[in-house]
Amino acid sequence: GNSVTQMEGPVTLSEEAFLTINCTYTATGYPSLFWYVQYPGEGLQLLLKATKADDKGSNKGFEATYRKETTSFHLEKGSVQVSDSAVYFCALIAGGTSYGKLTFGQGTILTVHP
Amino acid sequence: EAQVTQNPRYLITVTGKKLTVTCSQNMNHEYMSWYRQDPGLGLRQIYYSMNVEVTDKGDVPEGYKVSRKEKRNFPLILESPSPNQTSLYFCASRIDPLSNTEAFFGQGTRLTVV
Repeated sequence: GNSVTQMEGPVTLSEEAFLTINCTYTATGYPSLFWYVQYPGEGLQLLLKATKADDKGSNKGFEATYRKETTSFHLEKGSVQVSDSAVYFCALIAGGTSYGKLTFGQGTILTVHP
Repeated sequence: EAQVTQNPRYLITVTGKKLTVTCSQNMNHEYMSWYRQDPGLGLRQIYYSMNVEVTDKGDVPEGYKVSRKEKRNFPLILESPSPNQTSLYFCASRIDPLSNTEAFFGQGTRLTVV
């Protein structure tokens, strides 16, 4: 079946540090890949997405590139801010019998200190 | 404003007392689903609905029921809640199950069963 594996957290950084959150996946066919962010007390919001190999999704200074050869979709940001503190989820939608289901990774808690 | 609305946001109940969590979307989306979020497990799909009167089980359906009598509403029913259903629940909607479009999430319902 489909699965998503994220790096273990939590991740604690100082403001302006470089961020990488690793994400790898297993899926049938050619999935679409997503990063969702959950701020404290809120629901999930789409951060960025990529629908085919070598696509780069970007938003709010975050980037992730769909790497089919390594089945990865790592999230990066060059300079994090305190306001980036949140839980980040990597997710995919695959074809076949998944009927449009989002398959999520475990989530990575990011805390950014001033 | 496009949104998914869940109620209640917080609920404490006792074992065996039937409860319903409501979910409503105002985007005319065909596809709706329920997830539960547990630490270290990410989000797991409980039930989904491809359209009115069309529902099916997700990965963790035991102990839950749903209905889809109208396109905008997708309530989650716990007929006899148990402590292992203590969790954070999210309702989500998408335009349709076949496209790789963004899913919109409600703000979540934190349920505690004692």
